[in-house]
Amino acid sequence: KAGVTQTPRYLIKTRGQQVTLSCSPISGHRSVSWYQQTPGQGLQFLFEYFSETQRNKGNFPGRFSGRQFSNSRSEMNVSTLELGDSALYLCASSVRGGASYEQYFGPGTRLTVT
Amino acid sequence: DAKTTQPTSMDCAEGRAANLPCNHSTISGNEYVYWYRQIHSQGPQYIIHGLKNNETNEMASLIITEDRKSSTLILPHATLRDTAVYYCIVRVKYSGAGSYQLTFGKGTKLSVIP
Repeated sequence: KAGVTQTPRYLIKTRGQQVTLSCSPISGHRSVSWYQQTPGQGLQFLFEYFSETQRNKGNFPGRFSGRQFSNSRSEMNVSTLELGDSALYLCASSVRGGASYEQYFGPGTRLTVT
Repeated sequence: DAKTTQPTSMDCAEGRAANLPCNHSTISGNEYVYWYRQIHSQGPQYIIHGLKNNETNEMASLIITEDRKSSTLILPHATLRDTAVYYCIVRVKYSGAGSYQLTFGKGTKLSVIP
């Protein structure tokens, strides 16, 4: 079974621009979560989507948004990029409501804001 | 979710067992202990989880003390590829419509030495 895929893997943007990252979950997984990882703050939860609805949101400004499509694929968008948004953005999928709770992470998208 | 405490770093000789401790003295009765690891620049990888009984899978063993206030992840024969940051996470296994987010601490950086 194919794992979680994220595109693109690397991205360089300029301050003030916006960016869209994509995540395809493992087949059959309907929950997609997004995390941001920086050297200073570590791994932080951004939001979770299930059945095209945002279920939970972390403590991030409104510039960070996302959506989920009917095929469970998800995108996250960051508008008006700031230097501090440079990070590894990780997507994880899981079987929400399943017997166990493993989340399976993708390789991440490394965003650099200059 | 309960807070966890892990050593910042540990070394282990290749071929020996790596024992990674985690303290979770405020764990609640319905909270499970999960372990993930993150190899440099990759997404976190699920390893194992447990409630009160010791658990073993093809990757590792999890030993939880009787009072559940601490646990140890054991990698029986560490290899160089086990060099990673290991995260101990305590949370409710399934919270229905609630949050599925994982709260990552700083973890333990395990270095396997040849």
